[in-house]
Amino acid sequence: QVQLVQSGAEVKKPGASVKVSCKASGYTFTSYGISWVRQAPGQGLEWMGWISAHDDYTSYAQHLQGRVTMTTDTSTSTAYMELRSLRSDDMAVYYCARVPIVGTPRNWFDPWGQGTLVTVSS
Amino acid sequence: QSVLTQPPSVSGAPGQRVTISCTGTSSNIGAGYDVHWYQQLPGTAPKLLIYRNTNRPSGVPDRFSGSKSGTSASLAITGLQAEDEADYYCQSYDNSLSGWVFGGGTKLTAL
Repeated sequence: QVQLVQSGAEVKKPGASVKVSCKASGYTFTSYGISWVRQAPGQGLEWMGWISAHDDYTSYAQHLQGRVTMTTDTSTSTAYMELRSLRSDDMAVYYCARVPIVGTPRNWFDPWGQGTLVTVSS
Repeated sequence: QSVLTQPPSVSGAPGQRVTISCTGTSSNIGAGYDVHWYQQLPGTAPKLLIYRNTNRPSGVPDRFSGSKSGTSASLAITGLQAEDEADYYCQSYDNSLSGWVFGGGTKLTAL
């Protein structure tokens, strides 16, 4: 079955960087994209950006431009999200989700990874 | 503030019908972009519930249905069950932000 498995929880200091991985299985990795969504404690969902695993095209949320980088490794069917210059308000659960490439941007996210908690604390 | 507006909470008795609204603007829903809905049970990742306004993925009960008109969309749940207690989110694309956007989420309580 289609599955996305994310890396484990991270604890980082303000100003540091974090890199979260998302390993895909059960489908042809390069036929889809991966979107990243985060959820601060007790808050709603916030879209961060997405990357096409077909051609590495990326699109980032405007407020994260310059701090976030999304990449893929097609040899291992793994997507990565790196966020730099971490602040306290970056503390959240980070999710990856598969997104169809054809028909973008009318597309949806399915399935989702289990989430990775990133704690930012001095 | 979220780009798409949802009521913070809704509630209903078991067996009743509840609806959750998602209001956008001419830059997103009103521009013709599709609306998708997700269910997030406590402590779990979101799960796709409705895609492209009205379509249910396999495995989603037909008690869940979606609709879209103008700058708004709605999720309806009939025959409400205790297991439906969750947070529900709508999602669309916004061409002024050049990105996907979510509603603020609605907490559904089964009384």
